[in-house]
Amino acid sequence: GQQLNQSPQSMFIQEGEDVSMNCTSSSIFNTWLWYKQEPGEGPVLLIALYKAGELTSNGRLTAQFGITRKDSFLNISASIPSDVGIYFCAGHGGSQGNLIFGKGTKLSVKP
Amino acid sequence: DTEVTQTPKHLVMGMTNKKSLKCEQHMGHRAMYWYKQKAKKPPELMFVYSYEKLSINESVPSRFSPECPNSSLLNLHLHALQPEDSALYLCASSPPGEGIGELFFGEGSRLTVL
Repeated sequence: GQQLNQSPQSMFIQEGEDVSMNCTSSSIFNTWLWYKQEPGEGPVLLIALYKAGELTSNGRLTAQFGITRKDSFLNISASIPSDVGIYFCAGHGGSQGNLIFGKGTKLSVKP
Repeated sequence: DTEVTQTPKHLVMGMTNKKSLKCEQHMGHRAMYWYKQKAKKPPELMFVYSYEKLSINESVPSRFSPECPNSSLLNLHLHALQPEDSALYLCASSPPGEGIGELFFGEGSRLTVL
């Protein structure tokens, strides 16, 4: 089945630093989404992207839908301690009908 | 109301017990999902209900039995589970039409099978 390669697996950064993570696939998707999961909670949708090349922001978060439809990145600017959590990319609309999740990027922010 | 509510939050059961997980949403979403999540892993799809009909069963063992009594409720009946079934069980819903892939997750039910 389709797989998403998400990197990095984990990040340890200082408060105030910018963060970048990405997802790639060998096949195309029609939709890319980014979710954040905090301990003891379910994932929460951060950004949804529907068009190749689309660049969308949500506060300090910016995500892009790659022009080839096979990749997406998420940037977080000026990180703060409450940004900690696991960030999952997800693709939809490929050969499988379901939402495919990446393995996640665990973000730790040192105050 | 933009919440997906799951109960119970924690459940401990023996391998011979029968229990149920419950999920409720009042956002008018017509698709509801059960996911299983192991520690440090992404959610894995188990079942999808669309307009109260089971549309996807990801080859889940029969000891897990889903039920969708109406458009707002989703249950997962558990019977004769194994210790390896211990995990966080997440319910999600999504709006019809546009917003494909935009899942609203509950907080999950943490299941421990002894």
